[in-house]
Amino acid sequence: GQNIDQPTEMTATEGAIVQINCTYQTSGFNGLFWYQQHAGEAPTFLSYNVLDGLEEKGRFSSFLSRSKGYSYLLLKELQMKDSASYLCAVMDSNYQLIWGAGTKLIIKP
Amino acid sequence: IAGITQAPTSQILAAGRRMTLRCTQDMRHNAMYWYRQDLGLGLRLIHYSNTAGTTGKGEVPDGYSVSRANTDDFPLTLASAVPSQTSVYFCASSDNTGELFFGEGSRLTVL
Repeated sequence: GQNIDQPTEMTATEGAIVQINCTYQTSGFNGLFWYQQHAGEAPTFLSYNVLDGLEEKGRFSSFLSRSKGYSYLLLKELQMKDSASYLCAVMDSNYQLIWGAGTKLIIKP
Repeated sequence: IAGITQAPTSQILAAGRRMTLRCTQDMRHNAMYWYRQDLGLGLRLIHYSNTAGTTGKGEVPDGYSVSRANTDDFPLTLASAVPSQTSVYFCASSDNTGELFFGEGSRLTVL
């Protein structure tokens, strides 16, 4: 079966760095997405990785290792507004998205 | 502002009633999707449409139907609602990059 694993909840301090991991087992791979979802709101796109390596976008970076079935989202200089759920999703060989359950990130002052 | 509009934003419904959730996009995206989101679970695909006039079943299609008469509209119908269909429903569309653009969600409670 297809599976996406990510931690249920993480806590970090304002101004610090946090890494949210995602491991996957899917039938084929056509890219990995990270989305941010604030409570009561819709998910919004953060990043897309299809090749191995690090993609940097401001305070957020996303890393992919296809051979290990592993990705992480790195958030630097954490701000209170970064408190949200972070969703990992993999596009399989049929170009369908398989979603993880999301990681709730709590930022403390 | 361009994007996806869902209606209603929230609804309480008696079991057995018929309900249609509306979804309209103005980005001219070919692909559209309906997901449900439940606590502790990932987004689960209900139905999708790759282009106007075609639809397909997702992971959890039972009890739901969709239509895609034109590019902009993609309504989701619950023919006879049951309590297990209590959820938050998200409509989304995608461009050629695969990135999804979501509506604000419809919170449905079936009693």
